[in-house]
Amino acid sequence: AQTVTQSQPEMSVQEAETVTLSCTYDTSESDYYLFWYKQPPSRQMILVIRQEAYKQQNATENRFSVNFQKAAKSFSLKISDSQLGDAAMYFCAYRTQGAQKLVFGQGTRLTINP
Amino acid sequence: DGGITQSPKYLFRKEGQNVTLSCEQNLNHDAMYWYRQDPGQGLRLIYYSQIVNDFQKGDIAEGYSVSREKKESFPLTVTSAQKNPTAFYLCASRGGPWGNQPQHFGDGTRLSIL
Repeated sequence: AQTVTQSQPEMSVQEAETVTLSCTYDTSESDYYLFWYKQPPSRQMILVIRQEAYKQQNATENRFSVNFQKAAKSFSLKISDSQLGDAAMYFCAYRTQGAQKLVFGQGTRLTINP
Repeated sequence: DGGITQSPKYLFRKEGQNVTLSCEQNLNHDAMYWYRQDPGQGLRLIYYSQIVNDFQKGDIAEGYSVSREKKESFPLTVTSAQKNPTAFYLCASRGGPWGNQPQHFGDGTRLSIL
């Protein structure tokens, strides 16, 4: 069964600094998709960034970028120039091509220190 | 604006009572999902539906039921058989056949036992 592991229950960073959140996954599939979602105190789940496994180039969305290491089954999220509004729970998620189910990690709570 | 509307925001259940959580979307998405979130845990899939009049069990379907009579609507009933229903419930939808299409989430319903 596919599993997603986020080994950092909590992280903190100074405002304007850079922070990296870790995510590893276990799968025997070769074609799949990876996502990072943000859940602020309002509890709404917001898509941050996505990556297709067949793409070698790491996805980037403004201050958010990923380091996708397919062989190592690693999908870390880097947040540059951290802002107070980035404070949230961050969830890594995985979906196999053709599957409906999203498998979520346990989440990492990110605190931004002013 | 297109989106997913969940209601009510807060819901209380008495012992032995069935309660229904509403989820409506105007994104014209075919697929819809229900997740349960417990403190300190990621999201777990309860049920999902790919088309009208069809739905599939997720990982934790026991004690829950759903219907999909309309494309826009996917209500979740928490039955009296669900012995630990206190949780945060999130509804999501996804459009398009493409695997990299993300799920979009509603704002959630918090269910508590009286």
